[in-house]
Amino acid sequence: AQSVTQPDIHITVSEGASLELRCNYSYGATPYLFWYVQSPGQGLQLLLKYFSGDTLVQGIKGFEAEFKRSQSSFNLRKPSVHWSDAAEYFCAVGALPYNTDKLIFGTGTRLQVFP
Amino acid sequence: DVKVTQSSRYLVKRTGEKVFLECVQDMDHENMFWYRQDPGLGLRLIYFSYDVKMKEKGDIPEGYSVSREKKERFSLILESASTNQTSMYLCASTLPGAYEQYFGPGTRLTVT
Repeated sequence: AQSVTQPDIHITVSEGASLELRCNYSYGATPYLFWYVQSPGQGLQLLLKYFSGDTLVQGIKGFEAEFKRSQSSFNLRKPSVHWSDAAEYFCAVGALPYNTDKLIFGTGTRLQVFP
Repeated sequence: DVKVTQSSRYLVKRTGEKVFLECVQDMDHENMFWYRQDPGLGLRLIYFSYDVKMKEKGDIPEGYSVSREKKERFSLILESASTNQTSMYLCASTLPGAYEQYFGPGTRLTVT
């Protein structure tokens, strides 16, 4: 069965530091991959997505992610974190068959930012 | 600007009550989804609908039902609320083939 693993439950970084959130998926072919962010008390907002093509994907709010097929990973990165980035981040993969538009979500990583 | 709204942000109900959670989207999306979100478990799909009056079970449909009488509205029904249904409920919608799901703000339901 398809699955998404976010190994880090909670990450703490200082404002201005770089950030990498890990995501691994289980699937054989090229997956559809997503990162969503959930600010406190809010719904989820799409940060970026990968369907095909360039493996380095740029998103909103200065985030980027890199698809690495050999490692089954789609890690999210940001070179300099701002206090407003404190939130919960979810990685997701498109569920098969692709005609349903369903997503399978990871369990999330909570990011805390210290001044 | 795209918008998904949910009828309540916070809801407190008693065990055994019938509970209705409403979701409305203004984007003319065919597909709509109901998730529940619990700490450490991420988002789990309860039901989804790919057209009016069409619905399919997700991963955890037990204890829930849904209704979609109009394209823009997707309702989640807890037939007899139980304490283990205390959770955050999120609604989402998308166009067929687009995959990008647009989420509502969520309803935090407490069943006492």
